[in-house]
Order: sequence, then C-alpha cells, then structure tokens
Amino acid sequence: GQNIDQPTEMTATEGAIVQINCTYQTSGFNGLFWYQQHAGEAPTFLSYNVLDGLEEKGRFSSFLSRSKGYSYLLLKELQMKDSASYLCAVRSRFYNTNAGKSTFGDGTTLTVKP
Amino acid sequence: DAGVTQSPTHLIKTRGQHVTLRCSPISGHKSVSWYQQVLGQGPQFIFQYYEKEERGRGNFPDRFSARQFPNYSSELNVNALLLGDSALYLCASSFDPYNEQFFGPGTRLTVL
Repeated sequence: GQNIDQPTEMTATEGAIVQINCTYQTSGFNGLFWYQQHAGEAPTFLSYNVLDGLEEKGRFSSFLSRSKGYSYLLLKELQMKDSASYLCAVRSRFYNTNAGKSTFGDGTTLTVKP
Repeated sequence: DAGVTQSPTHLIKTRGQHVTLRCSPISGHKSVSWYQQVLGQGPQFIFQYYEKEERGRGNFPDRFSARQFPNYSSELNVNALLLGDSALYLCASSFDPYNEQFFGPGTRLTVL
C-alpha cells in the first residue's frame, strides 16, 4: 500500500519563504508530483520529481530524496494568491500493468498573511 | 488549446439513482484518470484508462465503472448512488500514464 503524510495547515507572511514537507511510503515508486488547489477549484500541476535533487521553477522549487521517502515544496517571495491547498502525490506502477497510479496526500492548507 | 473539460459542472441526484459523468482530455492526450475528492481530503484514485483500455483501478466498489472512447474522451458511471458518493469528481488527462496530469474543473455531485 501507500501512505503519504503532509502537515494539515501552515501560515506564513507575504514576502517570506515557506517549506511544505511530504513523506511517503510506497512500492514501485515512479515519480512525485506537487499540485496547488484553490478552494472550489481543480488541482493545478506545479512540479514533478523522479530523480533525487532539487527542481526549480520560478518561485517554486521541489526536492526529492527517494531513499528517505521525503519531498518538500519551497515557495519563495510569498504572495497573497499563494494561499491554497498544496497536494503531494506519489505515482507508482501497478503490479504487472503498464499504468501509473497516483496517490494523493490530504493536502497542506497554506494561509499567507499580510 | 482547450484544457480538460468535464460535464456537467454540478449534479444533484437521490439515493439509488445512477449518474454518468463525462470528460474530454486535452488534444493529443491518450490517458484519462478519474478521482473522487471529498471535502478536506486529497483526490482518491478511481480508474485510469490508456488507449481505450482500463489500466488501473482503485479501491472503489463495482457500482463504479468507466470507459474510454476512440476519441479518448471518457465516461464515469456510478450506479445505486449512496449519500457517501457526494463529492467532487475530477478527471485528469496526460499524454501517457507516466506524464504529468492536468485536471479538469470537476463535477460536483450531491446525493440527497
């Protein structure tokens, strides 16, 4: 089975930096994704890590350590519009099938304050 | 280019009825996945289809079924609706099962 843990809530100040952690246990790991979801809307893709290390994409960076089952999403220069839920999702390979199943954490609700 | 589209956006049904939800993937994408998202939780995987074949199934009862058409659009069917089926149903498309997924706006299903 798969288990994904991330903090339920975080609060940060506009202009600051925040790190959202995600730990996971899975078999057949085939990539880790981060999504942003505003209330009442669908998730939007932020980043993808399949190898260890840091992936940078503008104000957002994501890090992966496969040996530790650990990832984090780093948000820099926080803006009010960054207030949202951030979902960590692990993709694994179905046994004996050519398919990738994504298992999502319950999300971290980030509140950015002025 | 149009993103993933889903219909309807909202739906109200009563217990015991059945429902059909529809999804059109991004042009060129051949894989469609369906998720159920209950308020306060992350999306739960229901099905994945690729090249019109079911490639994966989550832990949902047989009341849930789906199919993918030759144009790669997809339908999710739920029979004998229960109150607990009330949720946001998300469709996600990707080029293949291992590329990033792009979500549609979802269908909000309410079962009374």
